[in-house]
Amino acid sequence: AQSVAQPEDQVNVAEGNPLTVKCTYSVSGNPYLFWYVQYPNRGLQFLLKYITGDNLVKGSYGFEAEFNKSQTSFHLKKPSALVSDSALYFCAVRDATRYSSASKIIFGSGTRLSIRP
Amino acid sequence: KAGVTQTPRYLIKTRGQQVTLSCSPISGHRSVSWYQQTPGQGLQFLFEYFSETQRNKGNFPGRFSGRQFSNSRSEMNVSTLELGDSALYLCASSLGLAGKSNEQFFGPGTRLTVL
Repeated sequence: AQSVAQPEDQVNVAEGNPLTVKCTYSVSGNPYLFWYVQYPNRGLQFLLKYITGDNLVKGSYGFEAEFNKSQTSFHLKKPSALVSDSALYFCAVRDATRYSSASKIIFGSGTRLSIRP
Repeated sequence: KAGVTQTPRYLIKTRGQQVTLSCSPISGHRSVSWYQQTPGQGLQFLFEYFSETQRNKGNFPGRFSGRQFSNSRSEMNVSTLELGDSALYLCASSLGLAGKSNEQFFGPGTRLTVL
């Protein structure tokens, strides 16, 4: 069965410092991986995705994520955090090799990112 | 292009009642997925519709049902409401089946409170 884990409920970073939000996954085949962000009282907003190709994926608002197949990880990173990055971040995975209608997208439990000025 | 819209935004019901939530996807998107978000359980997948057919279903009781119309608009119904159904219900649309390689676009959600 496919699954995704975000081991940290909360990550605290000082503004200007680099940030990392961790995500590990488990699928039987190849993964499609996604990061979404949720601001207070809003729906989720797509940040970036890994489908195939380069392991380093660049997305919105200066975020990037690195796909590591051997460690089954897809950590979200940003070189310099902003206070406005404070939000709830979700990692999601779907098994790319299973028949599409039988493969659901699974979301992690979310990581609350707090950037202090 | 207009985003995903959900109505109503807020709803208060009592136990035993039923409720219908509505979602209008982005124009041209044929897939609509529904999620339940609660502080304790996170984001839980309810079901996905594509071209008026349910393609995937999460682990929710039969009280939760949905449908999709020919214009891709979708409705979700919850019957015999329980206190534990209080949650933010999110709708998301995508061009193809959600997540296959298509990112999802989420609406603002409907906040359901069951008293």
